[in-house]
Amino acid sequence: DAGVTQSPTHLIKTRGQQVTLRCSPKSGHDTVSWYQQALGQGPQFIFQYYEEEERQRGNFPDRFSGHQFPNYSSELNVNALLLGDSALYLCASSAGGLLAFFGQGTRLTVV
Amino acid sequence: SQKIEQNSEALNIQEGKTATLTCNYTNYSPAYLQWYRQDPGRGPVFLLLIRENEKEKRKERLKVTFDTTLKQSLFHITASQPADSATYLCALDTFMDTGRRALTFGSGTRLQVQP
Repeated sequence: DAGVTQSPTHLIKTRGQQVTLRCSPKSGHDTVSWYQQALGQGPQFIFQYYEEEERQRGNFPDRFSGHQFPNYSSELNVNALLLGDSALYLCASSAGGLLAFFGQGTRLTVV
Repeated sequence: SQKIEQNSEALNIQEGKTATLTCNYTNYSPAYLQWYRQDPGRGPVFLLLIRENEKEKRKERLKVTFDTTLKQSLFHITASQPADSATYLCALDTFMDTGRRALTFGSGTRLQVQP
């Protein structure tokens, strides 16, 4: 079992560009949550996907959007990148149970 | 407003001592509270979960307490080792309308264990 895998591991983008981050959940998990973690801060909840729909959203602008595919994998899209979007983006998967498993994250740098 | 507070200052202790980390929260009624370990540049790794009706949970050298009256959790690492050096995150586990759950994290406390 590969656990939660995210790609790419690192990414550099220019202000105003768009970015897509990908997540494959742990086998048997149907729920994917995305988090943004700025340096020195805890992860901040962006949104959660279940049954291919966004079920809950944190306090993030509409520039942040996502998608879940029938195989439960997920994408996070960020449009019109700002310098402040530079962070570690974490994906966590769960099966509606008690435990969430995190991927290693994607380090996004906006220059 | 809802808030989760962890000591933002790093905790430095000597190898073999017990490390105690604090998590305080306001305006939450979590069903569960979780502790995670995070190493630099890596995703959080689950350590322990404690339910609202549990006072204490242990796992090897780790112990977590949960006081819903004080709205506080304490995380202890006994016989600490340099390998325990990391950032430790407290997370409140709250149910959403869907019945699925989301985690709300504190900012974490960095622990440094000196040999």
